[in-house]
Amino acid sequence: GAGVSQSPSNKVTEKGKDVELRCDPISGHTALYWYRQSLGQGLEFLIYFQGNSAPDKSGLPSDRFSAERTGGSVSTLTIQRTQQEDSAVYLCASSLVGGELFFGEGSRLTVL
Amino acid sequence: GESVGLHLPTLSVQEGDNSIINCAYSNSASDYFIWYKQESGKGPQFIIDIRSNMDKRQGQRVTVLLNKTVKHLSLQIAATQPGDSAVYFCAENLGGGSRLTFGEGTQLTVNP
Repeated sequence: GAGVSQSPSNKVTEKGKDVELRCDPISGHTALYWYRQSLGQGLEFLIYFQGNSAPDKSGLPSDRFSAERTGGSVSTLTIQRTQQEDSAVYLCASSLVGGELFFGEGSRLTVL
Repeated sequence: GESVGLHLPTLSVQEGDNSIINCAYSNSASDYFIWYKQESGKGPQFIIDIRSNMDKRQGQRVTVLLNKTVKHLSLQIAATQPGDSAVYFCAENLGGGSRLTFGEGTQLTVNP
């Protein structure tokens, strides 16, 4: 597609369940980011993939969060044993090396 | 109207006025800076960027100023319109494939 695609756009889950969020970056973009944004707040960095380098996981808030990027393209963010404080919009972005980020529309997660 | 970024996260201006949104960045080694606009319910969108070898760059109705001495970045919007109402984020990049780091954001409200 022409832009970054994220799915699902909305996800409601019960506390304790696992969720997976998917990101399809722009073709050819080697860098992929995940950010979290709570209501009315800024962008909280989670994880950054760049080519074949080891990902920068320094923003993951706990070991319940993990992400992978298969084949240098699609990425999945997994949250295990979700908690209410995980409720937020999860934004994915991709870019060329050192270039501007192109964001998806985000996946809104609500944990009941 | 003018904001002081991290210390004043909201800015309200009248339609037709010029707006100035400020950002204090953190790393003196950063060499690439970007302004993003985020409308309600959407992902951030690129507005304008500037490299550290410049101190000013102009786009359509927008100008970015960079003062490396005091690590300060500003976004000027000329003749602000209601459609400019959004949250504006600055971001910095260290280069060499490092990740983009976002500032807190400023909510701009344009009153008709």
